[in-house]
Amino acid sequence: QKEVEQDPGPLSVPEGAIVSLNCTYSNSAFQYFMWYRQYSRKGPELLMYTYSSGNKEDGRFTAQVDKSSKYISLFIRDSQPSDSATYLCAMTDNTDKLIFGTGTRLQVFP
Amino acid sequence: DTGVSQDPRHKITKRGQNVTFRCDPISEHNRLYWYRQTLGQGPEFLTYFQNEAQLEKSRLLSDRFSAERPKGSFSTLEIQRTEQGDSAMYLCASSLESPRGGQYFGPGTRLTVL
Repeated sequence: QKEVEQDPGPLSVPEGAIVSLNCTYSNSAFQYFMWYRQYSRKGPELLMYTYSSGNKEDGRFTAQVDKSSKYISLFIRDSQPSDSATYLCAMTDNTDKLIFGTGTRLQVFP
Repeated sequence: DTGVSQDPRHKITKRGQNVTFRCDPISEHNRLYWYRQTLGQGPEFLTYFQNEAQLEKSRLLSDRFSAERPKGSFSTLEIQRTEQGDSAMYLCASSLESPRGGQYFGPGTRLTVL
């Protein structure tokens, strides 16, 4: 079993929809949680960073962490075709080694 | 904006050859990381440096792999005697010491071993 599980998708939604992306993890020591966006053949781009449990909002993006359930989410409001990409969750404990999910491919169609 | 840069962006080589990749981090970042990503997977940690010191190496980093950061600025990753299984995207990232986990990635070097 992988330390971080993420549904690979693809997830296909119409423009304007609310998108929910999720990851589960098994290591209770994880405290720092990130979401990255990766366009095809590009490097990952840091979108959201959260420490411990709680919510964080940045524009159309909201990250949620529920440590009791070992579950993290990223919500995208008013999704746009330009949001079409692969979304990677990543997390770490007290080290600097990020553990990534496999990524969820999102397609937003006009 | 000077983000993380990597060179070359693409490398095609024959099995058994040696290859070297370069990474230039964001200038004020003292931490530098190497990851490897294969198709349909998330990046996997290989190694990281704080300044010029290599602090951790993954079990994925076999004896054929070596990384250096001689002056605490740019870094090189060398793969000796390449194998077809080394074909992947090699990603470099950099960060400050805090906040932990806030790593910024470069565009990657795509390696194809024939």
